[in-house]
Amino acid sequence: EIVMTQSPGTLSVSPGERVTLSCRASQNINSNLAWYQQIPGQAPRLLISGASTRASNIPARFSGSGSGTEFTLTISYIQSEDFAVYYCQQYDRWPPWTFGQGTKVEIK
Amino acid sequence: QVQLQESGPGLVRPSETLSLDCTVSGVSMTKYYWGWIRQSPGKGLEWIAYIFYSGSVSYNPSLKSRLSISIDTSKNQFSLKVRSVTAADTAVYYCASFPGLRTFDSWGPGTHVTVSS
Repeated sequence: EIVMTQSPGTLSVSPGERVTLSCRASQNINSNLAWYQQIPGQAPRLLISGASTRASNIPARFSGSGSGTEFTLTISYIQSEDFAVYYCQQYDRWPPWTFGQGTKVEIK
Repeated sequence: QVQLQESGPGLVRPSETLSLDCTVSGVSMTKYYWGWIRQSPGKGLEWIAYIFYSGSVSYNPSLKSRLSISIDTSKNQFSLKVRSVTAADTAVYYCASFPGLRTFDSWGPGTHVTVSS
């Protein structure tokens, strides 16, 4: 099973800042990585697939990069509606499809 | 637009069987794979199982012995059964579309299940 590790666990930032979240895979997963956003009380929402391709209707301030075992989600100018928990998920080797434990982005 | 809605019992007794349904609208069920994911404070997001209309299924190896997934395209529903539940099965259960067995593109709002006597 591929283990996904996200860092940091919590990130405190101010609106308007640039935010960088990290995700590491325990094995090479090429670019088979997705990012999700979860607002409290809601289901996760797909943001990015293929490590860097934004899903439909996702704002351009969200971008993803990386390949192999190291990946990054960047929010270029964080807005109030972006404060949430972010998860990465691998789909390179399955079953099972596995998620990271999440990074909470909170308002400083 | 794909929409999903989970339904379940809310409370299940230990050792009993948990039964969940997911009703799909906005798309033919033959178009995608369909999956179940759960979220608990202790284990985060955990993929449980998927099914295709043809009957192709797969289960999380850690849960496989207790799971059963099925689909009824005439009702636009797919279902999950978890046998012999324990407190560790307490979680929010989500159903989702799973095109190409890659990403979970559309999700239901989730249904909270508590295992307790």
